[in-house]
Amino acid sequence: GAVVSQHPSRVICKSGTSVKIECRSLDFQATTMFWYRQFPKQSLMLMATSNEGSKATYEQGVEKDKFLINHASLTLSTLTVTSAHPEDSSFYICSANGYADRTLNTEAFFGQGTRLTVV
Amino acid sequence: DAKTTQPPSMDCAEGRAANLPCNHSTISGNEYVYWYRQIHSQGPQYIIHGLKNNETNEMASLIITEDRKSSTLILPHATLRDTAVYYCIVLNAGNMLTFGGGTRLMVKP
Repeated sequence: GAVVSQHPSRVICKSGTSVKIECRSLDFQATTMFWYRQFPKQSLMLMATSNEGSKATYEQGVEKDKFLINHASLTLSTLTVTSAHPEDSSFYICSANGYADRTLNTEAFFGQGTRLTVV
Repeated sequence: DAKTTQPPSMDCAEGRAANLPCNHSTISGNEYVYWYRQIHSQGPQYIIHGLKNNETNEMASLIITEDRKSSTLILPHATLRDTAVYYCIVLNAGNMLTFGGGTRLMVKP
């Protein structure tokens, strides 16, 4: 099946610095990728929809200037957490839609997630 | 997209079938039922999806009621590695996934 690779899997950074997370679709082209955030013992929450070649669409309450998303190619989307603070510590997950079977129904393929700890 | 309702938690004995229910009474005709699971600290994993017919793959079976207002995910022989949070999601093909609380399945020896 299709594979989405997310990097890094874990990162620890100092408060005030920026962190970039990469999400790659390895064997398919993804015009749309999604970024989620998950706090401990909570469900995944959609942060933004990343569209190749255009500006990302952010969910209500997500600061677009803090969470910069770039989707410059059909296989790569990046999420940069700028001026990170301890409250940004979370599990960040990306996904991309691809075709699951011959019926052309799409399914979402998820990256492995990135655990960000801001100290 | 239709909202789904799942029990927050379930237990299952190892080797037995795990039946996870999901209610989606407001589902519309072109919306699919998707199931994902998330093992602790990992990205969600696709399990199965269906429109109106029952589906089976190497991981699980999906039983959708005739009126499509509910479905059941069946893990035929649960193992300890099946302990995870299982999410039932209803959406149009190609749309973003919106996760609810899911069911935390605990498989016990």
